[in-house]
Amino acid sequence: NAGVTQTPKFQVLKTGQSMTLQCAQDMNHEYMSWYRQDPGMGLRLIHYSVGAGITDQGEVPNGYNVSRSTTEDFPLRLLSAAPSQTSVYFCASSSYTNQPQHFGDGTRLSIL
Amino acid sequence: QKEVEQDPGPLSVPEGAIVSLNCTYSNSAFQYFMWYRQYSRKGPELLMYTYSSGNKEDGRFTAQVDKSSKYISLFIRDSQPSDSATYLCGIDGTYKYIFGTGTRLKVLA
Repeated sequence: NAGVTQTPKFQVLKTGQSMTLQCAQDMNHEYMSWYRQDPGMGLRLIHYSVGAGITDQGEVPNGYNVSRSTTEDFPLRLLSAAPSQTSVYFCASSSYTNQPQHFGDGTRLSIL
Repeated sequence: QKEVEQDPGPLSVPEGAIVSLNCTYSNSAFQYFMWYRQYSRKGPELLMYTYSSGNKEDGRFTAQVDKSSKYISLFIRDSQPSDSATYLCGIDGTYKYIFGTGTRLKVLA
């Protein structure tokens, strides 16, 4: 049982490039979410999904897109990378709302 | 005002000490509360998930919620060097989970 798997673990981008951060879970969880973690800011919610085909914005959605075509996968797309998006990105899932979330080990993203 | 406030520390204690970690929150409608532990370069790991007021115990860890004062606490008994990590408090706001900034704890051998 792998839990929540994030790829890649590390990535360096140039300003203006686009990329997709992958997140997959094998627990048949309905709820999935993306956070960014910055020093002194804690975990901030970017986007979340309550099931396949349903997504919504969190606290800091600008510059990011998501889609949820299957229960297992919830990719996060950076449309045009900016240095302000340098951060550690975490994906999490739970069986549904009002249930504890399980986190992946993160993707460390650096934008030059 | 932030929805969840947490002292960032760092907090240093000797091995065997009782550790008290605390958070305050602003919205009295919140019902679900949680604590996560995060080691360096790893994802947050769930320690405790509680509903409403009262205490919940799991081994050396006790989570306490006081809804009247909007205060949540995590107590660690007989602290060990392996407990050295960042501890995140959180609120489950149904569709949105809200976290504190984390408190860095160091347990000295």
